Amino acid sequence: EAQVTQNPRYLITVTGKKLTVTCSQNMNHEYMSWYRQDPGLGLRQIYYSMNVEVTDKGDVPEGYKVSRKEKRNFPLILESPSPNQTSLYFCASSFAGQAYNEQFFGPGTRLTVL
Amino acid sequence: AQKVTQAQTEISVVEKEDVTLDCVYETRDTTYYLFWYKQPPSGELVFLIRRNSFDEQNEISGRYSWNFQKSTSSFNFTITASQVVDSAVYFCALSEAGSPGGSEKLVFGKGTKLTVNP
Repeated sequence: EAQVTQNPRYLITVTGKKLTVTCSQNMNHEYMSWYRQDPGLGLRQIYYSMNVEVTDKGDVPEGYKVSRKEKRNFPLILESPSPNQTSLYFCASSFAGQAYNEQFFGPGTRLTVL
Repeated sequence: AQKVTQAQTEISVVEKEDVTLDCVYETRDTTYYLFWYKQPPSGELVFLIRRNSFDEQNEISGRYSWNFQKSTSSFNFTITASQVVDSAVYFCALSEAGSPGGSEKLVFGKGTKLTVNP
């Protein structure tokens, strides 16, 4: 089954404790990205990757890191989480190169930083 | 700059009523794509429809219909004979062929929360 998986689905952590949210897709998509969803703000792009070893900042990259060492995986790293990073995070993937490509979204990771 | 506005924050209707969710977009690109996603209470994002900027034909899928008007930069979504299962947050989104963030980047509106009461 074609899918995007994220882990963990729920996470409660404390300020400053490094964490990683994993994202994996099995559709051989070149393009992957991370979004955060906040009430009243919709979804905003954090980082994206056009292919292996190619990443770039989205609209709200501060406080986040990503890596793309394999085509299928695109982990989101919070080196020192803060309460303002409490949010619902979505990973998405698609074939690259065309704006019409449908983005496939993961199920979301709900993060709470205390 | 690309922007998507969903002016209706929340809408509440009674089952079987028709409801229209508004979406207005801004773009400088001539080639762009518009999307609607549904987010039910369970939280996942469900793709509903994609339209390209060269196709203004309205689309109907069961109880769902979409009205795309370039003249007013709008891509409105109508649910006919709403049902309780339609209760969700609905997002309108835009992607542009010439976006500096990659043509795949989606710019989302803030969403409209629809509640359908029995």
